[in-house]
Amino acid sequence: EADIYQTPRYLVIGTGKKITLECSQTMGHDKMYWYQQDPGMELHLIHYSYGVNSTEKGDLSSESTVSRIRTEHFPLTLESARPSHTSQYLCASSESGDSPLHFGNGTRLTVT
Amino acid sequence: QQPVQSPQAVILREGEDAVINCSSSKALYSVHWYRQKHGEAPVFLMILLKGGEQKGHEKISASFNEKKQQSSLYLTASQLSYSGTYFCGTEMGGNNRLAFGKGNQVVVIP
Repeated sequence: EADIYQTPRYLVIGTGKKITLECSQTMGHDKMYWYQQDPGMELHLIHYSYGVNSTEKGDLSSESTVSRIRTEHFPLTLESARPSHTSQYLCASSESGDSPLHFGNGTRLTVT
Repeated sequence: QQPVQSPQAVILREGEDAVINCSSSKALYSVHWYRQKHGEAPVFLMILLKGGEQKGHEKISASFNEKKQQSSLYLTASQLSYSGTYFCGTEMGGNNRLAFGKGNQVVVIP
């Protein structure tokens, strides 16, 4: 069974605050991803990483940034949260190309 | 380029069969299928690769028509646990950068 963890599970925060969403996996996977999903909607890729010190923007433009200093850790940061950032953020990892994505339980972010 | 999934929603009784579809306008390297229940993370079901290889659960049946860039997922003898939203993810280069469709909502009733 996949082991990928996201914290916090829920976050309500005021406009202008800086936030970091945590994502960790214990499987040693090189590839990691961040998807954004609004309720009842499709998943949009916003960031991905092929390994340590490798990060690239996804298909959906996002004001967030990511870092990959360690294989197991792929945090996402918003420097100044806005109500338009309200959404669910799902982190995933995979062993390689052609491998399944293992998703974390997500962080549901609400910016007031 | 996001794939197009159809039908948008399916309601079926326990034991009935259904087919849900995913199509793309681009040449595909692979198609992934995931099921997401309300409030939960998507769960992997199947990968179909260009060339015919499949990876996934034995009880899940799917097909990939490379000429038409279409994939179908077959829900056979449906169970209540099959309810959820089914997402297909497609990618073109073998790099696992998936573009997901809007999903097929499946409801199985007793």
